[in-house]
Amino acid sequence: GQQVMQIPQYQHVQEGEDFTTYCNSSTTLSNIQWYKQRPGGHPVFLIQLVKSGEVKKQKRLTFQFGEAKKNSSLHITATQTTDVGTYFCAGPQTGSNDYKLSFGAGTTVTVRA
Amino acid sequence: DGGITQSPKYLFRKEGQNVTLSCEQNLNHDAMYWYRQDPGQGLRLIYYSQIVNDFQKGDIAEGYSVSREKKESFPLTVTSAQKNPTAFYLCASSKTGRSPLHFGNGTRLTVT
Repeated sequence: GQQVMQIPQYQHVQEGEDFTTYCNSSTTLSNIQWYKQRPGGHPVFLIQLVKSGEVKKQKRLTFQFGEAKKNSSLHITATQTTDVGTYFCAGPQTGSNDYKLSFGAGTTVTVRA
Repeated sequence: DGGITQSPKYLFRKEGQNVTLSCEQNLNHDAMYWYRQDPGQGLRLIYYSQIVNDFQKGDIAEGYSVSREKKESFPLTVTSAQKNPTAFYLCASSKTGRSPLHFGNGTRLTVT
């Protein structure tokens, strides 16, 4: 199946600063989902993007789906300590049904107060 | 309060023993999944079930087995054939294939 790559693997951010994490697929995705996993916790669904070029916002988080539907980004403004965790993107595997999601390795975010 | 319950939270076993991880959901979801998470890696799909009495292999099914006799339950057995069973196991469910996944709290399995 296709691979979903995330960069960077680690993001160390000063509180109050902005940062962006990127998700790239080798093939076109029908949709992309983002999840957040707090340390010691389980992944929690954040958002799903379906349309080419789609942009969705959740307070300080902005999610974007690329025009070619092969990449996505998550931008966080004014980072807070509550943003600590690992952010995963996931998309359906090529040639498979939508049940088989391929997860990226995640971007682990730490925040310096 | 709807959700997914995984038990136990921590599990310790000796090498060569089979072990079964429990997963129950009361969300009335048709689909259920088992993922494995290792440090520094994303989630890898072990098995999934689109509907009761049916399941398919995921990307790393070797050494694992599942059953789906009831809509609410999707237990995972880690057999002695699994070469590296120590990991964090996450169960999830979704309404349909394109619906978001709801995860349980996970079971951390240690095999020595």
